[in-house]
Amino acid sequence: DSGVTQTPKHLITATGQRVTLRCSPRSGDLSVYWYQQSLDQGLQFLIQYYNGEERAKGNILERFSAQQFPDLHSELNLSSLELGDSALYFCASSVVGTGSGNTIYFGEGSWLTVV
Amino acid sequence: GQQVMQIPQYQHVQEGEDFTTYCNSSTTLSNIQWYKQRPGGHPVFLIQLVKSGEVKKQKRLTFQFGEAKKNSSLHITATQTTDVGTYFCAVVTSGTYKYIFGTGTRLKVLA
Repeated sequence: DSGVTQTPKHLITATGQRVTLRCSPRSGDLSVYWYQQSLDQGLQFLIQYYNGEERAKGNILERFSAQQFPDLHSELNLSSLELGDSALYFCASSVVGTGSGNTIYFGEGSWLTVV
Repeated sequence: GQQVMQIPQYQHVQEGEDFTTYCNSSTTLSNIQWYKQRPGGHPVFLIQLVKSGEVKKQKRLTFQFGEAKKNSSLHITATQTTDVGTYFCAVVTSGTYKYIFGTGTRLKVLA
């Protein structure tokens, strides 16, 4: 158990819909990262937050948005869903930002299936 | 932009054989980390390399950071079925906060 909690574990929704994925980082971790992993694909970096502020942005679509709240939990919002958005979405956390090379701890992921 | 390639993409070995995966970056790296993802699981941190030419060992696993800090390798001696999974390198280029994962090498070990 990494200490990173993601909900829901599985989600099936229709095209055009909107979903919210939730992440609670490890206790004491200030940074939260979101990654997308499609079937048999690598880990695509989406976005990183540090202590409530956006710190780095990767290949995140405009239909997707995220935020980190004062209690440090984070949400990833996916809207106007398309079939190609079906993937495993990982949240990860670390004590500080990546500049110092801290270990990042992954949650078990949220499986999103768009039908 | 930052590109991180890993080779090979797939590797099937007989149990007891050695295995090596390579991670290559287009830019100089601050540090490099290695992760393992078991089938159906999430990535788990293995190790971090920081210094040029650094070599670290964990039991049957040997990690190396290139002298120019642009590449790294993970070598497993005498593979076991428990080594099955996908091995990712993860890099942060100097001056950025983006944690980019390599394309991964999927290892299958045949008993």
